[in-house]
Amino acid sequence: RKEVEQDPGPFNVPEGATVAFNCTYSNSASQSFFWYRQDCRKEPKLLMSVYSSGNEDGRFTAQLNRASQYISLLIRDSKLSDSATYLCVVSVMDSNYQLIWGAGTKLIIKP
Amino acid sequence: DTAVSQTPKYLVTQMGNDKSIKCEQNLGHDTMYWYKQDSKKFLKIMFSYNNKELIINETVPNRFSPKSPDKAHLNLHINSLELGDSAVYFCASSQDLPGVRDTQYFGPGTRLTVL
Repeated sequence: RKEVEQDPGPFNVPEGATVAFNCTYSNSASQSFFWYRQDCRKEPKLLMSVYSSGNEDGRFTAQLNRASQYISLLIRDSKLSDSATYLCVVSVMDSNYQLIWGAGTKLIIKP
Repeated sequence: DTAVSQTPKYLVTQMGNDKSIKCEQNLGHDTMYWYKQDSKKFLKIMFSYNNKELIINETVPNRFSPKSPDKAHLNLHINSLELGDSAVYFCASSQDLPGVRDTQYFGPGTRLTVL
């Protein structure tokens, strides 16, 4: 089992719809969680950190489920500009530092 | 002002050559990273330095050698390039140690093609 898994997609979603995707992680000692967004042929950029209590930033909501070991990202009222690959990142700090990236979920918003 | 810059942006070279990629950040961050993103778009961390000290050293061939002359710079030297080294290499920086609730800022990437 991969340490961090994401459905690669693509998710083809009409503009204005709500879309959600998950990211599962295998290490129960994982401590910090993030969602990054990467546009085609560009660098990744932080979308949001994921807190235990869940957090919301405009149309984006991120949640953490430690019991089932996954994080989720919900996008409401999707825009064409939301088309991108969404990468989850999990950090583990035990005797070593580990930053583990998922392979990304590709989202395509259609007009 | 570019926060994290990398040079060169594109690098095309023959198998067996030695090449370097340079990275600089002007954010005053303590931690810098090198990532490799292959053709399948999988982003994998290679190295991380915190205040010039190597703190993440993932399993990569020893043909790859990072060097951090100061905390604003992290260079990557690759010896005896192989076809499989073709990828996009991203440099990144963050204020804090890896995984602390902290944004990583990425450079624009260096697209390396080995012929």
